[in-house]
Order: sequence, then C-alpha cells, then structure tokens
Amino acid sequence: AQRVTQPEKLLSVFKGAPVELKCNYSYSGSPELFWYVQYSRQRLQLLLRHISRESIKGFTADLNKGETSFHLKKPFAQEEDSAMYYCALGVTGGGNKLTFGTGTQLKVEL
Amino acid sequence: GAGVSQSPSNKVTEKGKDVELRCDPISGHTALYWYRQSLGQGLEFLIYFQGNSAPDKSGLPSDRFSAERTGGSVSTLTIQRTQQEDSAVYLCASSFRSRHGHTEAFFGQGTRLTVV
Repeated sequence: AQRVTQPEKLLSVFKGAPVELKCNYSYSGSPELFWYVQYSRQRLQLLLRHISRESIKGFTADLNKGETSFHLKKPFAQEEDSAMYYCALGVTGGGNKLTFGTGTQLKVEL
Repeated sequence: GAGVSQSPSNKVTEKGKDVELRCDPISGHTALYWYRQSLGQGLEFLIYFQGNSAPDKSGLPSDRFSAERTGGSVSTLTIQRTQQEDSAVYLCASSFRSRHGHTEAFFGQGTRLTVV
C-alpha cells in the first residue's frame, strides 16, 4: 500500500534561512508527487507537482526515486511562507487515490 | 460552481445528536475525499470515493461515521451520536485522473464542527 511520511510536525526557521521540508513515500509503482500548502484562513491548494519541474514562490522539489523522497526546498525563507505544507502521492492503481502526509507546519520567524 | 463547495461552513451540535455534512465536488471529478483536521493537527484521511463506490474507507474512526456519494457527484458524511472528540474541521476534496495522470486535488473550505 502507498504511504507518505512527513517526519516533522513543526519546522521553525529564521527569515532568510534555507528551508527543507521532508517527504518520503512508499510505493512500488511509478509515483506522482505533489506539495500542497494551506495558508492561515485559506483553503488547501496545490503548490507544485513533480511532473512540472517548476519553481513556485521560490520553492522547488526533486523526486529522488532511489531515496523515495520528494523534499521541498527554498534557499531563503520569507515570513509569508509560514503555513501548513502537505506532501501527496498519486498512484496508478488502487482506484487512483491521492494519499497525503500528515503535514508540516512551517513557521518563519523574524 | 467552479470550486468544491461544502455545507454548512459551521455547525454547532449537542453531544449525542446526528449531523450531516455535504460536499459538492467539481463537476466531472470522479474522485472525492473526506479528511478531518483537528486543532493543530494535520490531515486525517477518512474515506475515498471513486465514482459512487468507496474503495477505501479505512480512515473512518468508528461505526458512528458513514459516507455516501450519489450520481458520482454530491457526497454526504454522516456522524451519528456525536461526541466532543468529533469536533474538527471536515474537509472535502475532489480530483480527476486523465490518461496523462492525476490532476490536482481541489479542496473545499471545510465544515467546522463543534460538539458541545
């Protein structure tokens, strides 16, 4: 069965410091990985997906199949990055379900 | 509407009463998910629908919780004999899988349930 692990419940960094939110997955097939973000009082929304290989709001994430990881990174954290971040895995079988991790709360301090 | 709609947005109920939470997914989205978000917690998976069937209901916390989906569209999450620990924000999301892969999951604004 597929599984997504986000080991950090809370990550606190100072403004301008690098950020790395960890995500590991378990899936034997070809995965599709996503990062979702929830800002205060807003809906959960897609931040980026590995297929796009794009940078959104300065964030990037590289799929490492050898390490089964999809860590989210940003070189210089900004105050507005404070939010809840969820990693998600899409699978080709099992009814095409999207599986989410439990989330990491990022707090950027001044 | 253009997005996932949930109703009511807020619900206060007395302990022991039954509640129904509704989700209107984006038209054409075959997959529908229910999650629970407790204060300061992450997403807790409840149940997943593909069309009208629920291949995965492993996250439902007890037999007081049930959900159905009709016409491949609207879904209702029912909580019977509510308890205080049921207080949380209940989120619904929908998505679609094309032959090119998953689209993103679109989330509703949630229903905040408070059991007093």
